[in-house]
Amino acid sequence: QVQLQQWGAGLLKPSETLSLTCAVYGGSFSGYYWSWIRQPPGKGLEWIGEIYYSGATKYNPSLRSRVTISVDSSKNQLSLKLYSVTAADTAIYYCARHLGRAFDPWGQGILATVSS
Amino acid sequence: QSALTQPPSASGSPGQSVTISCTGTSSDVGGYNSVSWYQLHPGKAPKLMIYDVTERPSGVPDRFSGSKSGNTASLTVSGLQAEDEADYYCCSNVGNLDYYVFGTGTAVTVL
Repeated sequence: QVQLQQWGAGLLKPSETLSLTCAVYGGSFSGYYWSWIRQPPGKGLEWIGEIYYSGATKYNPSLRSRVTISVDSSKNQLSLKLYSVTAADTAIYYCARHLGRAFDPWGQGILATVSS
Repeated sequence: QSALTQPPSASGSPGQSVTISCTGTSSDVGGYNSVSWYQLHPGKAPKLMIYDVTERPSGVPDRFSGSKSGNTASLTVSGLQAEDEADYYCCSNVGNLDYYVFGTGTAVTVL
């Protein structure tokens, strides 16, 4: 059974870079897209982007200029970097496997707070 | 690309049914049969409930069903149970832009 575990800095100041990592356990890493999705407090879900195990990426146009998603297939890990964060980037960040038509499973999520 | 439109809330008594709508456009919901639905409980990993509009992953009770008509998809929960109280989000791909958009979310309350 595939499980996703996330970690990274939870408190950032404005203009800093958010950096998160997601490790995949218990299943194949290859052959799938792996996504990052976030949920600001009290708001809905937003797809940030995704990466194929081989490194091809897709990004939400609204975030493309500030986001980099990378992969380390040797460790079954993907990473998210979001640059120049503001309070609007405060959110729970999830990683998830993209099956082509749905996201499953998801990680537990990690809260990243941007505050001066 | 705007979020798909869902009602903010829905409710029903145990045993009753509740239906949640998810309205988009011909560029997303109406144009593709790849609508999925997710259940969110606070502090837990989101859970896939429906994919490809109507398909249920193994382990999801058959009380959950999906449908679509035109630009609107729907999730129906029949025989409501206390554990169904959660937030539900729909999702669709936006084909011409090659990315994905979620709904605004619906909080389901079991009275």
